[in-house]
Amino acid sequence: QVQLQESGPGLVKPSQTLSLTCTVSGVSISNGAYYWSWIRQHPGKGLDWIGYIYYTGSTYYNSSLKSRLTMSLDTSKNQFFLNLNSVTAADTAVYYCASESTGTHFDSWGQGILVTVSS
Amino acid sequence: QSALTQPRSVSGSPGQSVTISCTGTSSDVGVYDYVSWYQQHPGTAPKLMIYDVTKRPSGVPDRFSGSKSGNTASLTISGLQVEDEADYYCCSYAGNYNWVFGGGTKLTVL
Repeated sequence: QVQLQESGPGLVKPSQTLSLTCTVSGVSISNGAYYWSWIRQHPGKGLDWIGYIYYTGSTYYNSSLKSRLTMSLDTSKNQFFLNLNSVTAADTAVYYCASESTGTHFDSWGQGILVTVSS
Repeated sequence: QSALTQPRSVSGSPGQSVTISCTGTSSDVGVYDYVSWYQQHPGTAPKLMIYDVTKRPSGVPDRFSGSKSGNTASLTISGLQVEDEADYYCCSYAGNYNWVFGGGTKLTVL
């Protein structure tokens, strides 16, 4: 069973970079059957797909965030990463990492991490 | 891409059935059979309930079912139980490796 766990700072200053790590257990992130995603949820709001990365390093981003977004992975640590630069208060949200085992749905989710953008 | 449209809230009594709609466009729901539904209880992560429009992951009760007609997908919950009270989100593939979610529906079990 795939398990995911987000980690990173819970508070980021405006204009700085939000950096999160997702640690995966139960499957290798080099398994070609999976895509590794980030999804966020603004307080009291719905879900927004941020983007995903494949084990080859190929990335696919939401066009609304593309200019500020970088995803990467470290297969030796079975982790993948999110970097979102030039953050504003509008980036305050709970950030989830999730897996897609067949590329058609998000079947396993981390518990989520609240990131607040504030000075 | 724009969010899929869901009713803000629905309600039902225990034992009844409710249906939650999810309306997209001919660029997402209408053209791809990659619609999924997620249940989210307060303070917890979303949980996959339906995928590929009609399929149920193991462990999800068969009271939950999905369907699609044109640009609208639907989630039906029959035999409502108190523990079904939660927020529900639909999601669809939108082409070009993009995904779009619905705004969410709050289900109240009266």
